[in-house]
Amino acid sequence: AAGVIQSPRHLIKEKRETATLKCYPIPRHDTVYWYQQGPGQDPQFLISFYEKMQSDKGSIPDRFSAQQFSDYHSELNMSSLELGDSALYFCASSFQTKLGEQFFGPGTRLTVL
Amino acid sequence: RKEVEQDPGPFNVPEGATVAFNCTYSNSASQSFFWYRQDCRKEPKLLMSVYSSGNEDGRFTAQLNRASQYISLLIRDSKLSDSATYLCVVNAHNQGGKLIFGQGTELSVKP
Repeated sequence: AAGVIQSPRHLIKEKRETATLKCYPIPRHDTVYWYQQGPGQDPQFLISFYEKMQSDKGSIPDRFSAQQFSDYHSELNMSSLELGDSALYFCASSFQTKLGEQFFGPGTRLTVL
Repeated sequence: RKEVEQDPGPFNVPEGATVAFNCTYSNSASQSFFWYRQDCRKEPKLLMSVYSSGNEDGRFTAQLNRASQYISLLIRDSKLSDSATYLCVVNAHNQGGKLIFGQGTELSVKP
């Protein structure tokens, strides 16, 4: 069965650079979520989209923005990267927000040097 | 205080043992409950949803007590492949559907 696809899988950036992470949800899933997991931490919710509209916002820095496109894929844009942004970034998708179980992609490991 | 609290672990058990994980949540509006497992540096994978009536999937049994805001996971006949971090997860529908994770409990099953 098709799973959530994330790209790139690994990304190395310098401080103050920008990064774009991409997520392709499971076909027919209408909701995308972004989570950040720092070393030794549990995943923390960043932002979500339902039917291409932002549905909820968590602890996402103002330097980050995201959107969901007409084909339901989503991109997380990160600017002015800081060392503390180094983490695993997971995208998850579900069908029907609020009720659906969420299925996670393999994540993007971002390292900021 | 975290919104979802779990046993700190780690749990080190021999193969074949039965192990139980506990979890409490603070938001009484929470409506969906899950156990996810996460292997090192991999994505969380849904293990099972948890229902008020309790549910079982093979060697795994999950229980939910809404009155006590308490969730449990029982693993019987532990296998080496069960070694992972087990995450108690809550979805509070009045918070837009986001998942709220416990800090996870590490399980190590030894031969």
